[in-house]
Amino acid sequence: NAGVTQTPKFRVLKTGQSMTLLCAQDMNHEYMYWYRQDPGMGLRLIHYSVGEGTTAKGEVPDGYNVSRLKKQNFLLGLESAAPSQTSVYFCASSYSAFSGELFFGEGSRLTVL
Amino acid sequence: AQSVTQLDSQVPVFEEAPVELRCNYSSSVSVYLFWYVQYPNQGLQLLLKYLSGSTLVKGINGFEAEFNKSQTSFHLRKPSVHISDTAEYFCAVSAPNFGNEKLTFGTGTRLTIIP
Repeated sequence: NAGVTQTPKFRVLKTGQSMTLLCAQDMNHEYMYWYRQDPGMGLRLIHYSVGEGTTAKGEVPDGYNVSRLKKQNFLLGLESAAPSQTSVYFCASSYSAFSGELFFGEGSRLTVL
Repeated sequence: AQSVTQLDSQVPVFEEAPVELRCNYSSSVSVYLFWYVQYPNQGLQLLLKYLSGSTLVKGINGFEAEFNKSQTSFHLRKPSVHISDTAEYFCAVSAPNFGNEKLTFGTGTRLTIIP
């Protein structure tokens, strides 16, 4: 019953460093999403994928890249981290493109110094 | 474009008292409406959803919400809260034929239960 698993759960970076967040889901969902959550701003979509090998930009894609080489995995990369990317990142997946029902991971807290 | 407003950022409520968390939306088309709950240090999970049909929607853990088209509202209610209801609650809006990438979240309401 793993659902959506994110690694790592915590990370501290220095400005300019790079890192990758991994999201893995075991529900055979086609659709996967990366959000960031900031105080007072709710959730904002960074990138999403509608299937293996596909990616698309969301509301706040700048400074991030993603890849979906395998159906069960969705990677979020920061090539050159900035303090403005300090946030909590959530991965989500869905069985349907239109249901509005997303299954979320527990989040990854990233601090950029 | 669609938007959702949660006017109350924090709501303190005594245990066993009723609670209402307010959500108003704006949309030029018909809507789908959702409430998600985020318990401390966890991801969001779906509490309930309105797609069509009955305007009173029942969800998990005794919560319900009523879709009011004339007032463009989708308030969340529970008649008697418990300590375990302490969490942040997010209202979200989408629309028929809109992909999940169009799901728009509110800024959240933090519900604190006072023993």
